[in-house]
Amino acid sequence: SQKIEQNSEALNIQEGKTATLTCNYTNYSPAYLQWYRQDPGRGPVFLLLIRENEKEKRKERLKVTFDTTLKQSLFHITASQPADSATYLCVRSGGGADGLTFGKGTHLIIQP
Amino acid sequence: GAVVSQHPSWVICKSGTSVKIECRSLDFQATTMFWYRQFPKQSLMLMATSNEGSKATYEQGVEKDKFLINHASLTLSTLTVTSAHPEDSSFYICSARGWGDSDYGYTFGSGTRLTVV
Repeated sequence: SQKIEQNSEALNIQEGKTATLTCNYTNYSPAYLQWYRQDPGRGPVFLLLIRENEKEKRKERLKVTFDTTLKQSLFHITASQPADSATYLCVRSGGGADGLTFGKGTHLIIQP
Repeated sequence: GAVVSQHPSWVICKSGTSVKIECRSLDFQATTMFWYRQFPKQSLMLMATSNEGSKATYEQGVEKDKFLINHASLTLSTLTVTSAHPEDSSFYICSARGWGDSDYGYTFGSGTRLTVV
């Protein structure tokens, strides 16, 4: 079965530094990898999507990479702020109208 | 942007009763909606996929007679937890995706916290 693994359950970063979250997948490459933010008691909010033929995507302070050789995606938040504290979910999808496979998430804490 | 409204945000019910959760796409037509369940400190697990006008497709291990899904229109899907038991207590989240938004991921509802006592 296809799996998504986010290695760190929790990550503490000092404000202003770059936070880097790791996502690894097993078996074949997904058509898409997506990153979502989830706050306690809320549904996930979409952040970025990257296709398997794309190396990098950026959106404001966010950057995501996709390395099909390493079977890995990295998610970066530059100039991190306490408001960035949340759980970040790595998600694989095959494209089309299919459901998503979620990682367990990494709880990011940005300390002032 | 696309908005998915989910109600209620929380519900407490007695064991043996049924609870209905609604998921509405407010500004787009959702041909497909998904229902997920999330236990504390766990990832979201897909329960079922509902397509407008047809029967839902359930994931392995999910009882279709217990979790009834109805997707009667392009803007509304409902999940009914029948004969609820304490082990059904969880966070239920719906998600929707219309056509032509493959670059923008999926839109999720705010979730429903179900507590069965």
